[in-house]
Amino acid sequence: RKEVEQDPGPFNVPEGATVAFNCTYSNSASQSFFWYRQDCRKEPKLLMSVYSSGNEDGRFTAQLNRASQYISLLIRDSKLSDSATYLCVVNGRGSGYSTLTFGKGTMLLVSP
Amino acid sequence: EAQVTQNPRYLITVTGKKLTVTCSQNMNHEYMSWYRQDPGLGLRQIYYSMNVEVTDKGDVPEGYKVSRKEKRNFPLILESPSPNQTSLYFCASRVNRAEETQYFGPGTRLLVL
Repeated sequence: RKEVEQDPGPFNVPEGATVAFNCTYSNSASQSFFWYRQDCRKEPKLLMSVYSSGNEDGRFTAQLNRASQYISLLIRDSKLSDSATYLCVVNGRGSGYSTLTFGKGTMLLVSP
Repeated sequence: EAQVTQNPRYLITVTGKKLTVTCSQNMNHEYMSWYRQDPGLGLRQIYYSMNVEVTDKGDVPEGYKVSRKEKRNFPLILESPSPNQTSLYFCASRVNRAEETQYFGPGTRLLVL
């Protein structure tokens, strides 16, 4: 099983749609989880952290399911500007350091 | 403005011609790293540095060198570039090795002919 696995997509959705991405991880000892957003040919940027209780930031909701080892990102009311690749990032802590493992990303295309 | 900068942003070179990609951060971060990103392979870590004069190999270190003589700078050196090193390179930094939030530079697109 790959360390961090994502459906590469692309997910093609119309403006206003709700879309969800999942990401699975193999290291059950992983401590924390993130979603990064990467626009075409640009650097990844932190979108949001994922907390055990789930968290919401505007139109974005992140959920964590430790038992099944997956995290999800839900985007409501999609905008054209949401078109990007979304990277799932898992942090497997060693003793006193964190190791970030990046998924390969899921591409989202929002059309008018 | 807090940022990570890389230079050059675009580079075309030929096989065997040594090159250096510079990376600098102004956030006083201890931890810096280099990644390459290739289609279908995602981001892979090349080298990282936990502090000045402390560097270590990541997942794909072959063909690369790094140095960390100052806290703010972490150059990536390709002594003898080959076509399979054609890629998009990102430098990144974070406060320290335990911190999780990572900041990326804008990327360097390298083509080796």
